[in-house]
Amino acid sequence: NAGVTQTPKFRILKIGQSMTLQCAQDMNHNYMYWYRQDPGMGLKLIYYSVGAGITDKGEVPNGYNVSRSTTEDFPLRLELAAPSQTSVYFCASSYSGPSGVYNEQFFGPGTRLTVL
Amino acid sequence: GIQVEQSPPDLILQEGANSTLRCNFSDSVNNLQWFHQNPWGQLINLFYIPSGTKQNGRLSATTVATERYSLLYISSSQTTDSGVYFCAALTGFQKLVFGTGTRLLVSP
Repeated sequence: NAGVTQTPKFRILKIGQSMTLQCAQDMNHNYMYWYRQDPGMGLKLIYYSVGAGITDKGEVPNGYNVSRSTTEDFPLRLELAAPSQTSVYFCASSYSGPSGVYNEQFFGPGTRLTVL
Repeated sequence: GIQVEQSPPDLILQEGANSTLRCNFSDSVNNLQWFHQNPWGQLINLFYIPSGTKQNGRLSATTVATERYSLLYISSSQTTDSGVYFCAALTGFQKLVFGTGTRLLVSP
């Protein structure tokens, strides 16, 4: 298993440009998440999804959009990039079964984004 | 929402020393995860521990859910232990709330 994969690894955007960060997992996890990590800080939740077709906002959703059309993929869209979106973006996934038991989240390697 | 605080913020150790990192959380949580973020930025899962004690090699973790804290023990530290250690509390819909981390430097 590749686990959680993210592309690209690095990207530089100009102010006002748009891009999509890709995330895929091959562990058949139903839950997927996007976090951002600013320098010297912990991670903050942007959006999450509990299954295909279902997404919801996290703590810092402004300036981002997500969709989840398949179990495996969870892309994050940045519209009109701003310098405040300079950060490292992590995708994660986890599994929750019918009993609702919580399981640990596994993280991808991250995408380092700079907006100039 | 829940607050997660970690201490100390920074720690410098000589190789071979032991250390204890603390994580306090402000409310009941469904579970708690410890991560190591290595110098290349990769997040490595260490422990998933709602309560009790777990051990993995030189590392162990203890969570006392009733008192809302967790401890990470590192014994016989090595230079490869350097990096940032995060705890994260698992809340509703499996959402993780991260602390600000403990930055560890182990010198040879």
